[in-house]
Amino acid sequence: GQQLNQSPQSMFIQEGEDVSMNCTSSSIFNTWLWYKQEPGEGPVLLIALYKAGELTSNGRLTAQFGITRKDSFLNISASIPSDVGIYFCAGPQGSSNTGKLIFGQGTTLQVKP
Amino acid sequence: NAGVTQTPKFQVLKTGQSMTLQCAQDMNHNSMYWYRQDPGMGLRLIYYSASEGTTDKGEVPNGYNVSRLNKREFSLRLESAAPSQTSVYFCASSEAGGPPNEQYFGPGTRLTVT
Repeated sequence: GQQLNQSPQSMFIQEGEDVSMNCTSSSIFNTWLWYKQEPGEGPVLLIALYKAGELTSNGRLTAQFGITRKDSFLNISASIPSDVGIYFCAGPQGSSNTGKLIFGQGTTLQVKP
Repeated sequence: NAGVTQTPKFQVLKTGQSMTLQCAQDMNHNSMYWYRQDPGMGLRLIYYSASEGTTDKGEVPNGYNVSRLNKREFSLRLESAAPSQTSVYFCASSEAGGPPNEQYFGPGTRLTVT
């Protein structure tokens, strides 16, 4: 079945460093979503991508929809302590437009001040 | 505009007890979802409701039932709780006619079954 693999699983970085993470799939997606979950909270949508090759920014965050449509990338520039959390990629589940999503297992980011 | 709300925030049950998790959204969304989150496994879909009056199974429906009470509310029931159901449960909603698949999540219910 469909599966999304995120890497790395976790990152421990120094404040001010840039961060890169990715999400890959064995099947093609027509939408990629990136969520952030802070400790004790629900996931919050950061960026949505709808077109292969698309590059979208949200403040210090930039995400790209891979041209093969089987991967997506999220970059965070000049990290700050409030970037701490779990970052999830997600894509539509199945072929029908039910609105269902499949999620990656997440990349946990820790930032050292 | 509160978005998606969930009650309770925390719950401890004994094996075999039952309970209902409540979810409500005030965004007039058609679709609603229940997920569980376990360490290292991301979010897994339990049940979803594409519109008022309809419900369908997701990836991990066993041991759960749902009710789409009206457009705003979608509840998740555990009839006989088991330790394997210890998890964090999230409700989400999305607009069928809006941007594809963008779901909005509640704050979660942290359930422990002893």
